[in-house]
Amino acid sequence: QVQLVESGGGVVQPGGSLRLSCAASGFTFSSYGMHWVRQAPGKGLEWVAFIRYDGSNKYYADSVKGRFTISRDNSKNTLYLQMNSLRAEDTAVYYCAKDKLRYSSSYDAFDIWGQGTMVTVSS
Amino acid sequence: QSALTQPASVSGSPGQSITISCTGTSSDVGGYNYVSWYQQHPGKAPKLMIYDVSNRPSGVSNRFSGSKSGNTASLTISGLQAEDEADYYCSSYTSSSTLHVVFGGGTKLTVL
Repeated sequence: QVQLVESGGGVVQPGGSLRLSCAASGFTFSSYGMHWVRQAPGKGLEWVAFIRYDGSNKYYADSVKGRFTISRDNSKNTLYLQMNSLRAEDTAVYYCAKDKLRYSSSYDAFDIWGQGTMVTVSS
Repeated sequence: QSALTQPASVSGSPGQSITISCTGTSSDVGGYNYVSWYQQHPGKAPKLMIYDVSNRPSGVSNRFSGSKSGNTASLTISGLQAEDEADYYCSSYTSSSTLHVVFGGGTKLTVL
C-alpha cells in the first residue's frame, strides 16, 4: 500500500544538526513533489519545505531558509531533510507528505502523510 | 500567527451540521483553487478530507463538503458523528514570496 515512513528524529542540542529521512513505497516516488510539514507540541501545522518531483526546484518557509535543506534520491525512493543550526523553536513532530498532483512544480494538496518523527532541540 | 484564519473551536450535536471557515487573502485562498482540508485526531497524522476547494478523495464520507467564496473557504460536515471529533486544518497555495503553502491555525471540533 501507499506508505511514507519517517526516521532520524531525536534529541539534539541547540546549534546542532540532524538529518531526517522519509522512505516511500506503493507509488511512483519519482513522479511526485514532496513536502516536509512540522507540528510543534500542542500547536498547529506549519509547512517547512517542498521539492519538485525531479529535485530541480526547492522552496522553504522563511523560518528555516538557510538552515534546512530538502533533497531526494529517486533511485532509493527516499526524501531527506538536513537540519542545521537547530533552535528550540524547531522542536516539533516532522511529517513528510506527498503532493497529490503528478509532475507538479507547486502545491496541490498533501494526500499521503507519514506517521511523523519527533525532533527535540534542548540542552 | 497563522496566515489563514480559522475559528479556534466549533461544536455540534450528533446528526447536526457544522461549518468551519478559513479566511485568507487574494494571494492565497481567493486567488487559487488549491484549498484543502485536513482532519487530525490526537496523536495521529493529518488526513486529507477535501482538495481543490470541493473535491473529496476516494474513501472520504460524502458528509464532508467544501466550498469557497472570495477569500473565505468553508468545510461543512453534515450528520455529525462522534468520530468526527478532531482538529481540522485548512491549507492553501500562496503566491507570497515568503511562503509556498499556508495553513490555518486549526479548529477543534467537539461533538456534544
